[in-house]
Amino acid sequence: DQQVKQNSPSLSVQEGRISILNCDYTNSMFDYFLWYKKYPAEGPTFLISISSIKDKNEDGRFTVFLNKSAKHLSLHIVPSQPGDSAVYFCAASVRNAGNMLTFGGGTRLMVKP
Amino acid sequence: DAGVIQSPRHEVTEMGQEVTLRCKPISGHNSLFWYRQTMMRGLELLIYFNNNVPIDDSGMPEDRFSAKMPNASFSTLKIQPSEPRDSAVYFCASSLRLAQETQYFGPGTRLLVL
Repeated sequence: DQQVKQNSPSLSVQEGRISILNCDYTNSMFDYFLWYKKYPAEGPTFLISISSIKDKNEDGRFTVFLNKSAKHLSLHIVPSQPGDSAVYFCAASVRNAGNMLTFGGGTRLMVKP
Repeated sequence: DAGVIQSPRHEVTEMGQEVTLRCKPISGHNSLFWYRQTMMRGLELLIYFNNNVPIDDSGMPEDRFSAKMPNASFSTLKIQPSEPRDSAVYFCASSLRLAQETQYFGPGTRLLVL
């Protein structure tokens, strides 16, 4: 049973527009959420995170929103740039239980010039 | 800092052979994680260490898989004997502390078992 799901395997966006990547989770014990970005032939790199005590965290062009009641989080990229084209993974953890990351299946974002 | 270093980057071997993957975590990081990425199962945690001690190996698929961390700067993941279904990309990651959520990943080892 997948505890973290990214239902859209791919997303195509025009340069300059907003990219919205979605993630759903089922484990209500998760209290910390992260987004990782992965380019081909490289390992995932940390992008942004959010604690369950917040509903929004912003870092430059990247904003993560958390809706605990819906068990849903999203990553907004504004404006999107061609260099943002990558696979984005959502991950979740339970801080008091070893803090292990459970990853979603990833969404491939393509930003067209 | 050089980041997490993994070797080899690519490995092609025949079924039944022993495979050893290597990882050097970021200096000063106390926690180390081994992940496997496949099309079917995505990115899954195999085992993790804290202060060189294995904490949870419940993600290790079978007894054919073993991992060691003899010191703070080196870890190995061994598959013996290897099978075609072990073909995947294996990532090593490290974090400053077990309680620190941000894990830093290496570039991965792409393994192909023929």
